Parts: sequence; C-alpha cells; structure tokens
Amino acid sequence: QQQVKQSPQSLIVQKGGISIINCAYENTAFDYFPWYQQFPGKGPALLIAIRPDVSEKKEGRFTISFNKSAKQFSLHIMDSQPGDSATYFCAAAYGNKLVFGAGTILRVKS
Amino acid sequence: DGGITQSPKYLFRKEGQNVTLSCEQNLNHDAMYWYRQDPGQGLRLIYYSQIVNDFQKGDIAEGYSVSREKKESFPLTVTSAQKNPTAFYLCASSILGSGNTIYFGEGSWLTVV
Repeated sequence: QQQVKQSPQSLIVQKGGISIINCAYENTAFDYFPWYQQFPGKGPALLIAIRPDVSEKKEGRFTISFNKSAKQFSLHIMDSQPGDSATYFCAAAYGNKLVFGAGTILRVKS
Repeated sequence: DGGITQSPKYLFRKEGQNVTLSCEQNLNHDAMYWYRQDPGQGLRLIYYSQIVNDFQKGDIAEGYSVSREKKESFPLTVTSAQKNPTAFYLCASSILGSGNTIYFGEGSWLTVV
C-alpha cells in the first residue's frame, strides 16, 4: 500500500515532442504528489507538485494531471528539449514522509 | 549560500568497516532525512528525524545508524552489518508538515572495495 508505481522505466522523445510519465498509488492517505527531476550525479530537485483537490496544475512546459478516483497522476512535458534529459521521479507524501516511484530516464533527441 | 551540504562526495570502504556520511543544512529545517538510491529502484528512506535527539527508522534501516545532536546536522553511519552498502546516499531536509518541499543535497557515493 506504500508503493508508488511509475512507468515507463525509460523514454526517448524527439525534440519538440510531448513526454508523458505515469504514476499510480494505492494509499488514500497520500495528500501531496510532487515530481522531482534529477541530473546525473546530482540530488533530485522539485519540479512541480499537486494536491488531490486539484485535477491539473501547469507550470511553464510542465503539467501534472491528477485522477483521484483512479489513484493515478501523470507528468506531461510539452515541447521537450534536450536539456530536459534527466531522470524523473514521482512521489506521494503523507505527513513528512515521501514515497518515491522507481524513476523514468528521459532522453530527448535533438 | 543556503542549502544542504553532504560530504564526502565519494567514499571507498573496505568490507567490515563502518563509515560515516556527513549532512549539514543551514535552512533552519526541523526535519531531516536519509535516502538510498540504487539503479532502477528509486529512492528508499533509511532514517528520518523531526526534532533534535529523536529519529525514526525508514523502510531500510537495517545496517545503518544516525544521530541528531544538533538541528543542523544529521550524520549517517553505514555499519559493517549492511550487506550491500554500495549506493548513492542522499540527505534531505524540510519544514515540518505535509506538502512542504523536501530539499536534497548533492549526494555521496559509497563504494565497498
């Protein structure tokens, strides 16, 4: 029940395309859903986050879609750029504890 | 600069030895965390602390120990009891309460030789 399942494991997208990463959870106690971006050899950095009372949140080229009834949420990266190539983690939080998905390695081809 | 400082960045350990990873933050955060990262497994919580002199086990605490004698510091000791310690270790901190951003340090690579 504490797991967050993330897919796909890896993703290759052409420059200018849309990158989509999906996550699913079971525990309805989760009340905060952040996405982190990690470059090689660095710590993860918060990219965008959403609470379950909102179905969508957009920040620049990054959008989170949230489906509370299905217990699923996804990250959409519009107009993907080579600089977006990184590992992306979804997470779900209750209290101060974060549970992470396994990560998606995104490569944007120029 | 405000942030989380981890040291050393790279560490080699012989089997049977204990090693301590340092984590210092100047963000005035009450909560601090240690995560372990292995390829294809995401980040797994080792220990976390919400207040000085108190800490709780995470999902994979066996073979690890921590202390929280100061608000700014949360060192992690990888003991010889940890069977597979080679990994990337990440320290993090946050304000207490749900929905507050967890900030990560740059990480420490530990390799057992």
